[in-house]
Amino acid sequence: NAGVTQTPKFRVLKTGQSMTLLCAQDMNHEYMYWYRQDPGMGLRLIHYSVGEGTTAKGEVPDGYNVSRLKKQNFLLGLESAAPSQTSVYFCASSRLREQYFGPGTRLTVT
Amino acid sequence: AQKVTQAQTEISVVEKEDVTLDCVYETRDTTYYLFWYKQPPSGELVFLIRRNSFDEQNEISGRYSWNFQKSTSSFNFTITASQVVDSAVYFCALSEAVGGYSTLTFGKGTMLLVSP
Repeated sequence: NAGVTQTPKFRVLKTGQSMTLLCAQDMNHEYMYWYRQDPGMGLRLIHYSVGEGTTAKGEVPDGYNVSRLKKQNFLLGLESAAPSQTSVYFCASSRLREQYFGPGTRLTVT
Repeated sequence: AQKVTQAQTEISVVEKEDVTLDCVYETRDTTYYLFWYKQPPSGELVFLIRRNSFDEQNEISGRYSWNFQKSTSSFNFTITASQVVDSAVYFCALSEAVGGYSTLTFGKGTMLLVSP
């Protein structure tokens, strides 16, 4: 039982490049979330999903897109990366209220 | 809008000292949930506790205890007899009760350094 996994763990992008972060959970959780963590800012919600095929915007959605084609996967896409998107990205999933987090992806945009 | 304030940016203690981490929240909802998460130096986020707004009983789990006071909108976390392994960033979070899920609003975190 791996819980919540994220790939990749690290990535360096150049401004304007695109990439997709993959989140997978094996707990059969209905709800999934993407957060970003910046120094001194805590975690901020980017997008979330309340079920397969559904997504919604969080607090800081601009510059990101998401998809939930399968219940166990939640993808976060950056179409044209900007230096302001340098951050640590965390995925989480929940059955009810408690969210369980993945190990994070450290993304640097130069 | 919801807001969580952790006024203590960093706390340093010596092992075996007791330490309290403060959390003050703002919400217009009458039903809500409060959480504490731990982020050790390795970076992962570990769920510690959830409390709903109808349950003001304090909770104790080993060396950890939580004091929820609706009257002051606070949900403070105390570690008794701190240990070096308690060194981490601790986040308090708030969630409204929407459907069956939670979208969390996090505080900025308190870094706890426990020295031997």
